[in-house]
Amino acid sequence: DAGVTQSPTHLIKTRGQHVTLRCSPISGHKSVSWYQQVLGQGPQFIFQYYEKEERGRGNFPDRFSARQFPNYSSELNVNALLLGDSALYLCASSPVEQYQETQYFGPGTRLLVL
Amino acid sequence: RKEVEQDPGPFNVPEGATVAFNCTYSNSASQSFFWYRQDCRKEPKLLMSVYSSGNEDGRFTAQLNRASQYISLLIRDSKLSDSATYLCVVNTHTGGFKTIFGAGTRLFVKA
Repeated sequence: DAGVTQSPTHLIKTRGQHVTLRCSPISGHKSVSWYQQVLGQGPQFIFQYYEKEERGRGNFPDRFSARQFPNYSSELNVNALLLGDSALYLCASSPVEQYQETQYFGPGTRLLVL
Repeated sequence: RKEVEQDPGPFNVPEGATVAFNCTYSNSASQSFFWYRQDCRKEPKLLMSVYSSGNEDGRFTAQLNRASQYISLLIRDSKLSDSATYLCVVNTHTGGFKTIFGAGTRLFVKA
């Protein structure tokens, strides 16, 4: 079975631009979360979606938004990119609302903002 | 104070050694706990969940102390392949769901 997939794998943008990152969860998983990881730090929680509804949000500005589609795939959108948005963006899925559940991570999208 | 704190290390140990990592968390309402492993430039992968009664998986033992709000991971008989960053993870489900990762503890196991 395929694991969590993310696209694109790498991306270079300039300040002020907008970016959309995509995630397909493991088949049968209904929960998707997004994380930002900068070098030397652990992943920082951005959003969790379950059954197409936002169930959790981390301390990120409104420039960050996300949505989940009926097929449980998800998009993370970041507007007005800043240099500090350069990071690895990770998507994780779990079978149910991830209260106690294991999260399975995709390989991530590496975003570089110039 | 960070919500989840870990000693960043690095821990440099010889093969066969026993090594222990601790992690503290600040939110007493936290409800589930995990250890993840992350290899260089790879995604995190679950190592084990952490239960109040303590749990063991082969050479790995995890403990949770809710009263003191800390989690531990013990690795026995270290292997070269154990070299990685170990991430402590805490889930909270009050006022919305939130997952907090620690910054990670780096482990180097040497021959």
